Amino acid sequence: DTEVTQTPKHLVMGMTNKKSLKCEQHMGHRAMYWYKQKAKKPPELMFVYSYEKLSINESVPSRFSPECPNSSLLNLHLHALQPEDSALYLCASSQAPSGGAEQFFGPGTRLTVL
Amino acid sequence: GQQVMQIPQYQHVQEGEDFTTYCNSSTTLSNIQWYKQRPGGHPVFLIQLVKSGEVKKQKRLTFQFGEAKKNSSLHITATQTTDVGTYFCAGTTFMDSNYQLIWGAGTKLIIKP
Repeated sequence: DTEVTQTPKHLVMGMTNKKSLKCEQHMGHRAMYWYKQKAKKPPELMFVYSYEKLSINESVPSRFSPECPNSSLLNLHLHALQPEDSALYLCASSQAPSGGAEQFFGPGTRLTVL
Repeated sequence: GQQVMQIPQYQHVQEGEDFTTYCNSSTTLSNIQWYKQRPGGHPVFLIQLVKSGEVKKQKRLTFQFGEAKKNSSLHITATQTTDVGTYFCAGTTFMDSNYQLIWGAGTKLIIKP
């Protein structure tokens, strides 16, 4: 299984809502990532988990809260988001933390904040 | 901060014409990866280049890594409609005790009707 799955595919939420994005991989990868991608831009790294521990937090606002319950799962908890947070949220995994390892991306969650 | 510049931003070609995108880093890279993102899709890994001066081919795609490991290019020969999408380079650099992937801005390949 060389697939990264993400749910939901689409999410519309109000600024007072709390929601979670989910990501799963069964490739035995030990590094997992959250990216944010705006239209016509490259993916922007948010968080990196290495061996289930948060290793990189790219100064992301606290309204985004990542969680790695186990080596196969990655969640992104959302609370009190702003309209400018609307974007495609991509999860990725790699065999090892980004020392040049190929990253496998999920299909993404397209988030709209009203 | 460290940057990977990628040009052009867009390239319009007739089907059958060639396409090239270039990446240039401000610092020496450990390696460089290339990804393709189809419209409405997610980035898909194409290849990784590690060695100075490395050239790799995948059918009509040719990837090069410069001698100084600061620049790279992707050349597509005789483009087809299936090549449409945005091509990103991403350079690996060791920074703040971590390997980090620095993404180029991407080049969008558009096939003229």
